[in-house]
Amino acid sequence: SQQGEEDPQALSIQEGENATMNCSYKTSINNLQWYRQNSGRGLVHLILIRSNEREKHSGRLRVTLDTSKKSSSLLITASRAADTASYFCATAHRSGNTGKLIFGQGTTLQVKP
Amino acid sequence: DVKVTQSSRYLVKRTGEKVFLECVQDMDHENMFWYRQDPGLGLRLIYFSYDVKMKEKGDIPEGYSVSREKKERFSLILESASTNQTSMYLCASSLRTGRYEQYFGPGTRLTVT
Repeated sequence: SQQGEEDPQALSIQEGENATMNCSYKTSINNLQWYRQNSGRGLVHLILIRSNEREKHSGRLRVTLDTSKKSSSLLITASRAADTASYFCATAHRSGNTGKLIFGQGTTLQVKP
Repeated sequence: DVKVTQSSRYLVKRTGEKVFLECVQDMDHENMFWYRQDPGLGLRLIYFSYDVKMKEKGDIPEGYSVSREKKERFSLILESASTNQTSMYLCASSLRTGRYEQYFGPGTRLTVT
């Protein structure tokens, strides 16, 4: 079952602009992760935020987590054409988890040069 | 460098054929996963294995089986391929504890005609 819902489904911006993607989930989580997928390839892990964290940075990526709203956002600053890809959030459940993640349906980002 | 490999990038099979998709990881991970990815549906978990010879059904196990005889190898089997199994198949692995960060293979695009 899909827990994560992502918004928007597709996003098109100009190079240099910021891109924001949102993810909502339904049950309590251990952590929330963001992955990137280039067209026709496997997913690559970008960043992880634990349930007791509110914000995390990695290079041009900024992730926020609001557990009261069960939502997260991924911000990519100063986007580049090479950032064109699909982005997925994934949640690890809090209890009884042996490693399964539940993935959202993804946001397709196009960055125009 | 961590690595997950899949036996084929592209595969074309006929309806009714038995199909084997192989996945190998070199990170000594306990967990291995098979997902299928279809446009608009995101990643859906087919099967999950948390140890050698151990398996757990995911969200869409019908028409599939799996085999894990060695820790590094996880096979997905389509007993009798059907056209509705045309899809991108992604294998992933992770540790059984900790962050649950998943490492993905490049994917196999299977076409059943």
